[in-house]
Amino acid sequence: DTGVSQNPRHKITKRGQNVTFRCDPISEHNRLYWYRQTLGQGPEFLTYFQNEAQLEKSRLLSDRFSAERPKGSFSTLEIQRTEQGDSAMYLCASSFRGKVPLSNQPQHFGDGTRLSIL
Amino acid sequence: GENVEQHPSTLSVQEGDSAVIKCTYSDSASNYFPWYKQELGKGPQLIIDIRSNVGEKKDQRIAVTLNKTAKHFSLHITETQPEDSAVYFCAVTTNSNSGYALNFGKGTSLLVTP
Repeated sequence: DTGVSQNPRHKITKRGQNVTFRCDPISEHNRLYWYRQTLGQGPEFLTYFQNEAQLEKSRLLSDRFSAERPKGSFSTLEIQRTEQGDSAMYLCASSFRGKVPLSNQPQHFGDGTRLSIL
Repeated sequence: GENVEQHPSTLSVQEGDSAVIKCTYSDSASNYFPWYKQELGKGPQLIIDIRSNVGEKKDQRIAVTLNKTAKHFSLHITETQPEDSAVYFCAVTTNSNSGYALNFGKGTSLLVTP
């Protein structure tokens, strides 16, 4: 399977703990996105990477959240001092930015990591 | 920011009937309009997309139409089957969105009954 892979699929943790999620994008994709989805809502954009550079962060991404993509391949999303409101599905998507400027390529999603805060 | 409204929130049809889901958006600079299908416990799956220079696109039983003047676009599913049952999301983006981040609607839960 060459789709977007996310691990773990489920994470249950106590309030105040730190958690880290991993995303492996489609291999030739140079753009990687993180979204958050709560029950009954559409995904909401958190941040994105072009290769290893983090180029945009949403206002939803508080100081407790940090994302990395150290070698331009896989990415990690860490949440420090988790709160009840962090309970959600965290989705990763990837796309390919070609040489054509302003080229908008489809984003393909993984199956997400469901985070539950006790 | 971009405001995307999706209707209806739930839709129930009988197998073989057609289903139509509509989305409206606010930013006239929006230029890319994908539709995603999400099954329980899975991530959104891209099913069809359309760009602003095209008015209609079809892929077998699925079609999308775009009205840029009215700022709305619709998903049409013909000859529905039980396996079409899922939550469908429309999304919108523009060249001005850094990295073309998607703005999603709230979703439509489609139920196809045999």
